[in-house]
Amino acid sequence: AQSVAQPEDQVNVAEGNPLTVKCTYSVSGNPYLFWYVQYPNRGLQFLLKYITGDNLVKGSYGFEAEFNKSQTSFHLKKPSALVSDSALYFCAVSPLSGNTGKLIFGQGTTLQVKP
Amino acid sequence: EAQVTQNPRYLITVTGKKLTVTCSQNMNHEYMSWYRQDPGLGLRQIYYSMNVEVTDKGDVPEGYKVSRKEKRNFPLILESPSPNQTSLYFCASTTIGGEQYFGPGTRLTVT
Repeated sequence: AQSVAQPEDQVNVAEGNPLTVKCTYSVSGNPYLFWYVQYPNRGLQFLLKYITGDNLVKGSYGFEAEFNKSQTSFHLKKPSALVSDSALYFCAVSPLSGNTGKLIFGQGTTLQVKP
Repeated sequence: EAQVTQNPRYLITVTGKKLTVTCSQNMNHEYMSWYRQDPGLGLRQIYYSMNVEVTDKGDVPEGYKVSRKEKRNFPLILESPSPNQTSLYFCASTTIGGEQYFGPGTRLTVT
């Protein structure tokens, strides 16, 4: 079965430290990979995506993500966390090659950045 | 301003009473989707649409219907709501590159 896993329900990090939010996937083909963020009481916002090319992709608010095909992972990273980065983060995968409209989300990881 | 709108934002209803949640986008996107968000389960896709009159099931379509008669609108219909459909619902519109723009959400409670 096609799936996306975010193995950590919550990640805690001190402000100024680097952060990583993990995502692994199990889909066939060459999927599109995405990260979205949900701030409290707000909708979801697109952060970044990987389609092809350089394995390190950069996105909004200083976030980046590293695609690893052999490990089927797409971890979200930021060199220096801010308190304002505290939010719920979702990894998502479009399971077929190309943009088909179908999207599978992970269960989400709450990021808590402490001052 | 590019946006996806949903109405209503909050809805409390009773079991079996048909309801419709509207969704509209002003970006001329071909793809649109509906999701439900439940704690610990993330977002699960209910239905998606690739264009007018073209829809397909997502992962949790049971108990829901959709229609796409116009490009900008993609309503979600619950013909006989049940308590297990109590959830937070999001509509989304997708760019050619695959990024999704989400609406503000509709919090539905079925008693």
